[in-house]
Amino acid sequence: NAGVMQNPRHLVRRRGQEARLRCSPMKGHSHVYWYRQLPEEGLKFMVYLQKENIIDESGMPKERFSAEFPKEGPSILRIQQVVRGDSAAYFCASSSLPRDRHYGYTFGSGTRLTVV
Amino acid sequence: GQQLNQSPQSMFIQEGEDVSMNCTSSSIFNTWLWYKQEPGEGPVLLIALYKAGELTSNGRLTAQFGITRKDSFLNISASIPSDVGIYFCAGPGGSQGNLIFGKGTKLSVKP
Repeated sequence: NAGVMQNPRHLVRRRGQEARLRCSPMKGHSHVYWYRQLPEEGLKFMVYLQKENIIDESGMPKERFSAEFPKEGPSILRIQQVVRGDSAAYFCASSSLPRDRHYGYTFGSGTRLTVV
Repeated sequence: GQQLNQSPQSMFIQEGEDVSMNCTSSSIFNTWLWYKQEPGEGPVLLIALYKAGELTSNGRLTAQFGITRKDSFLNISASIPSDVGIYFCAGPGGSQGNLIFGKGTKLSVKP
């Protein structure tokens, strides 16, 4: 019973390139959450998706960032025209119900994005 | 907006010592969660608390849900080197799917 799988673990991009981060939720989970962790900081909520729907994107920067969770395949967090300030660890979590936040999500191991 | 403040920011202790850390908020939380993050990994849930005054243990870890519902405490007894990591408190934010995290307490244990 695999946990939340994220890839790649490490991603290096030059300024102006695109970054695509993938998240496969735990089996049977249809709710996915993306969080960002800047160095020396806690995790900050970005977006909550259900299959084919964005439920809450209140933590997502207005420009350059987008997320999707298609009917088939992993959830994708896409960052266009990356800048140095996008360098961070990006974590994905999944649940079978949104109220699972009260029980604590299971997080993946994250993707560490470095923009050079 | 809602914020969680953790203290201390970091701790350097000797193996075998007990550890205490806390988390405070300006607003009431109905759930308190404690996570541990090791280098290069995602946070792992340690303890969840649901009732004011509740005291819950997980091995050498004990966490308490403050009576005012605006704070929580985590204690680690007889620390060992593998306790090293960053400990985060978290609670449900204002919108669906949203967990709010503190900035963490970084624990270093000297053998």
